[in-house]
Amino acid sequence: ETGVTQSPTHLIKTRGQQVTLRCSSQSGHNTVSWYQQALGQGPQFIFQYYREEENGRGNFPPRFSGLQFPNYSSELNVNALELDDSALYLCASSLGRGSTEAFFGQGTRLTVV
Amino acid sequence: DQQVKQNSPSLSVQEGRISILNCDYTNSMFDYFLWYKKYPAEGPTFLISISSIKDKNEDGRFTVFLNKSAKHLSLHIVPSQPGDSAVYFCAASSFNFGNEKLTFGTGTRLTIIP
Repeated sequence: ETGVTQSPTHLIKTRGQQVTLRCSSQSGHNTVSWYQQALGQGPQFIFQYYREEENGRGNFPPRFSGLQFPNYSSELNVNALELDDSALYLCASSLGRGSTEAFFGQGTRLTVV
Repeated sequence: DQQVKQNSPSLSVQEGRISILNCDYTNSMFDYFLWYKKYPAEGPTFLISISSIKDKNEDGRFTVFLNKSAKHLSLHIVPSQPGDSAVYFCAASSFNFGNEKLTFGTGTRLTIIP
């Protein structure tokens, strides 16, 4: 059984650029959630995908968007990057929309300069 | 509006003693609570959880206590071991949300002193 994997692990982008982060969910899990963890803060919910459809969104602007694929892997896209987007982006997978135990990947550290 | 609060940014405990990490919440819709442990350069790892229908849940050295009237939960680690040194996050959720949105606290850095 494979765990949650994210790529890339580190990334540096320039303000105004676009970025795509990727996540492979744990085997058998059909739900993926994305979180942003700024320095010194706890993870903040961005959105969740369940069976390829968005199932809940946190307080993030529309330039944060996502996709989930038929194999339940997922992408997080951020357009028009701002300096404040610099953070650790975490992907978590779980089984079922109502499940409350999420398994996290190691995260992607995004730095916007 | 911080709905889940961990008011102690750091805590140091002697090896072998009890570590007690605290968490408060404000949203009465929360009915499921979790503790995650995070090492540097790794994602959070699930540790233990508790449903609001219980007031205690135990798993080996880890016990979580929930006081619903006070909207307070705590994680007890006994005995504390050097490998327990990490950042601990309290998180809360609600089945009423219809999704698995977790609301996290800001974390407590636990250091176990050998």
